Amino acid sequence: GIQVEQSPPDLILQEGANSTLRCNFSDSVNNLQWFHQNPWGQLINLFYIPSGTKQNGRLSATTVATERYSLLYISSSQTTDSGVYFCAVSSGNTGKLIFGQGTTLQVKP
Amino acid sequence: DAGITQSPRHKVTETGTPVTLRCHQTENHRYMYWYRQDPGHGLRLIHYSYGVKDTDKGEVSDGYSVSRSKTEDFLLTLESATSSQTSVYFCAISGTEETQYFGPGTRLLVL
Repeated sequence: GIQVEQSPPDLILQEGANSTLRCNFSDSVNNLQWFHQNPWGQLINLFYIPSGTKQNGRLSATTVATERYSLLYISSSQTTDSGVYFCAVSSGNTGKLIFGQGTTLQVKP
Repeated sequence: DAGITQSPRHKVTETGTPVTLRCHQTENHRYMYWYRQDPGHGLRLIHYSYGVKDTDKGEVSDGYSVSRSKTEDFLLTLESATSSQTSVYFCAISGTEETQYFGPGTRLLVL
């Protein structure tokens, strides 16, 4: 099956800093999503981005499908950005997602 | 936010007892999913449904069964709970095969 690797596993930032999270996947996909799990455990969908670039406020994501990676950019980080960021992919037409292990982000005030 | 609720939110049970978790949606979405989240394993798909009475297995389906008799409800049953099924269980929904929205989760402890 498809393997999903995220890096870095852990990241500590000062408030206001920018960061880039990476997701590599081992095979072609037609579905890629980024999620944020906040410290209370809630999973929030950030982007559905199987290819191309999207932006939503301070967050943006780029997927280069031909090279099998996706990047999540966080600009001007805030303490509320803390939590775990997951990348998840699927190659079929059922939405059966395979998740990476996540990047744990801590933003310090 | 998508209208997804899970019940119960917390449960403690004993090994060998049956347990049923419920996922309820108000979005009339076609697809529903059950995942479990464990330290060191991330989130893994247990079962999913692509319509009423249409279900299929995910990557960690052993020991679990599901049922979907109505669009809005997706039930996950542990026929005989084991300690290895202690986990946080998440339900997700999707109107297409694309964006998934997650419920608040259920914390299950099997003693």
